[in-house]
Amino acid sequence: KQEVTQIPAALSVPEGENLVLNCSFTDSAIYNLQWFRQDPGKGLTSLLLIQSSQREQTSGRLNASLDKSSGRSTLYIAASQPGDSATYLCAVSGNQFYFGTGTSLTVIP
Amino acid sequence: SAVISQKPSRDICQRGTSLTIQCQVDSQVTMMFWYRQQPGQSLTLIATANQGSEATYESGFVIDKFPISRPNLTFSTLTVSNMSPEDSSIYLCSVGQGTDQPQHFGDGTRLSIL
Repeated sequence: KQEVTQIPAALSVPEGENLVLNCSFTDSAIYNLQWFRQDPGKGLTSLLLIQSSQREQTSGRLNASLDKSSGRSTLYIAASQPGDSATYLCAVSGNQFYFGTGTSLTVIP
Repeated sequence: SAVISQKPSRDICQRGTSLTIQCQVDSQVTMMFWYRQQPGQSLTLIATANQGSEATYESGFVIDKFPISRPNLTFSTLTVSNMSPEDSSIYLCSVGQGTDQPQHFGDGTRLSIL
């Protein structure tokens, strides 16, 4: 069974800092990997989708990379802002979707 | 991407009662899923809602406890039956056009059982 792990579980950074969130998965037979953001008590907002044939995707200050062979993905957030404070989840897609444990990010003004 | 409306957004229920959660999409979608997110934890797939047939349940979830309907390609319901405090969670509906396509989520239903 696919297992998805995110490190660190929580992260606190000062505003303006660049940061990297990590996602690892055990089975490389995936269709794609998707990064989500979840605000407290809310649903998930899709940030980036990387197809299994791609190496990275960018949207604004966000850049996600995928190394399928090693079972790793990173989400890079540039010039962090207090509004980036949320929980970030990665999910891999195989015969179903498997979600990571999440990284709770706090950006301190 | 699809716009997903989930109702209710939150509810507080008595032990032993049942609640039906609705998920409405503004366009036809191939796949609809129901997830549970217990406090402080990640998402767990309850079932895949299949149009016109019985839902496909994941291990640990049964139809008697979580009956699901999907009468068409834009609508699904999840019922949480005979609720206990352990059912207090956020329940989330997601949609997609296949497991090789992105998923999109509703805002979720925050359920508390007294």
